[in-house]
Amino acid sequence: DAGVTQSPTHLIKTRGQQVTLRCSPKSGHDTVSWYQQALGQGPQFIFQYYEEEERQRGNFPDRFSGHQFPNYSSELNVNALLLGDSALYLCASSLTQATNEKLFFGSGTQLSVL
Amino acid sequence: DAKTTQPPSMDCAEGRAANLPCNHSTISGNEYVYWYRQIHSQGPQYIIHGLKNNETNEMASLIITEDRKSSTLILPHATLRDTAVYYCIVRVARFGNEKLTFGTGTRLTIIP
Repeated sequence: DAGVTQSPTHLIKTRGQQVTLRCSPKSGHDTVSWYQQALGQGPQFIFQYYEEEERQRGNFPDRFSGHQFPNYSSELNVNALLLGDSALYLCASSLTQATNEKLFFGSGTQLSVL
Repeated sequence: DAKTTQPPSMDCAEGRAANLPCNHSTISGNEYVYWYRQIHSQGPQYIIHGLKNNETNEMASLIITEDRKSSTLILPHATLRDTAVYYCIVRVARFGNEKLTFGTGTRLTIIP
């Protein structure tokens, strides 16, 4: 049983460009969350998708957007990249029916903005 | 902002019990305490969670004080593979709320 998979593992972009990161949730999970982790910091919640809609959102500008597909996979899009967007982007999946459900995280995509 | 306070770093000898403290003095009655850890270059991994009773699983034990203002994660026999950053998180367990608010965690180093 594959866990949460993310692609690509590493990515280099320049300021002003746009980027799309992809996530496939753990089998049987229907909810996907995205987190940004700057170097030396804990992960910060970006947003969460359930039933193809954004359900919760953290304190991130609308340059950050997402999408969830009918097969529960998800994309994170970041427009007009800034140097400060350089970080590890983590995807987590869960089953929304279980209120105490633990999150399963992927290994992340390391984004470098030059 | 994170609602928990943890020491930034700790060392523990291999084979000994590692005891990681967490302060959550403003915890609400409907908030659970969760522990995750992050090994270098990997995503966070769930360890354990609890509300007010002590909990134990195959990875660790969680001891929550009676007033719920603090807790301790115990790794009973630490190995080198337990070297990681450990995050203590409080979270309302509610349908549709999977958001976790991470702090900076405790960097645990297991010494051979």
